[in-house]
Amino acid sequence: ILNVEQSPQSLHVQEGDSTNFTCSFPSSNFYALHWYRWETAKSPEALFVMTLNGDEKKKGRISATLNTKEGYSYLYIKGSQPEDSATYLCAFMENSGYALNFGKGTSLLVTP
Amino acid sequence: ETGVTQSPTHLIKTRGQQVTLRCSSQSGHNTVSWYQQALGQGPQFIFQYYREEENGRGNFPPRFSGLQFPNYSSELNVNALELDDSALYLCASSLDSRDTQYFGPGTRLTVL
Repeated sequence: ILNVEQSPQSLHVQEGDSTNFTCSFPSSNFYALHWYRWETAKSPEALFVMTLNGDEKKKGRISATLNTKEGYSYLYIKGSQPEDSATYLCAFMENSGYALNFGKGTSLLVTP
Repeated sequence: ETGVTQSPTHLIKTRGQQVTLRCSSQSGHNTVSWYQQALGQGPQFIFQYYREEENGRGNFPPRFSGLQFPNYSSELNVNALELDDSALYLCASSLDSRDTQYFGPGTRLTVL
């Protein structure tokens, strides 16, 4: 079982705050790192797939960075809105397999 | 974009019974993966099917089995249900084995 850790476990911010989460994963045998957003009672939504060390991806107010050498990725949300409230999952795919190995997620609550 | 559906939404079974969960993949996606999410955990990889053949398997016993059909539908079968099988079961489809996986909303299985 591959060890994928996410921190913090949960986060409560005010509307307009910027926030960031961390995902750590094995630094060897890396193939890809995925970020998903999962709102309650909905399907997990793919945000980013990152494959190269130093990758930076952006989608609206959300961005992510990747460091494969040290085994971590950051997800940033600028100017959080209540609709950003969700669980954010990262998943590591190793070079020798097809499975997504998920962390436990970071639960974000944004209040007006 | 998502278009993955799962049925049923919820299911209650008793220990020792058998259950079949269904998934309809996005059209054109040759790969389907199944995950189990127990309470407080991230999703755990069960197995993946590519063009109707099992392509990879996680740490789950043989009583977890699957089928994939040419019409982009698939099934997860679990025999001899145990209390610990109570979880959310997610399916995800993708163009190929390592492409972005698009998730359905899941089936909540409760084993009494």
